[in-house]
Amino acid sequence: AQSVSQHNHHVILSEAASLELGCNYSYGGTVNLFWYVQYPGQHLQLLLKYFSGDPLVKGIKGFEAEFIKSKFSFNLRKPSVQWSDTAEYFCAVGGNQGGKLIFGQGTELSVKP
Amino acid sequence: ETGVTQTPRHLVMGMTNKKSLKCEQHLGHNAMYWYKQSAKKPLELMFVYSLEERVENNSVPSRFSPECPNSSHLFLHLHTLQPEDSALYLCASSQGRQVGNTEAFFGQGTRLTVV
Repeated sequence: AQSVSQHNHHVILSEAASLELGCNYSYGGTVNLFWYVQYPGQHLQLLLKYFSGDPLVKGIKGFEAEFIKSKFSFNLRKPSVQWSDTAEYFCAVGGNQGGKLIFGQGTELSVKP
Repeated sequence: ETGVTQTPRHLVMGMTNKKSLKCEQHLGHNAMYWYKQSAKKPLELMFVYSLEERVENNSVPSRFSPECPNSSHLFLHLHTLQPEDSALYLCASSQGRQVGNTEAFFGQGTRLTVV
């Protein structure tokens, strides 16, 4: 079965530290890749997406992600986190058979001021 | 404000109760979805509606019954639920029925507790 794996359940960083959240997926066909973020008490919202083209994708709030096809990975990065980045981050994969959007289990990021 | 509104935000119900969750989208999308978000588990897709027709039911128990009267409204009718059904229920919408091929817009969810 298709699956998405996020390696870190909870990450704690200090402000200005660099961030990398891992995401791997199991589907071997053409994929669309997403990172969603859920700030405390708010709805899920799209950070960035990759459908095709440049595998390095830039999203909102200084986030970027790199699609590495050979590693089935789509890791999320930010060079310098802020306290306001405290949230839960979800990787998701679509474009597979049936057009489903399959989510990872989420990574909770806590940024200490 | 996402353009997807869910009510109520919180719901506590007994196992013998019947209740309904409501979702409304103001984005002009033609597909709507119900997801279940449980602690420490991936979001689970429950139902997909495209142009008011149910196109997917992911082996969801019959105690969950969706209804889509038009392209802007989606309901989830609940009856005789179990405590393990306690979770955050998220509604989403998109333009195009294949949610994995386009951006999905999510509501804030209904926090359901079954006692």
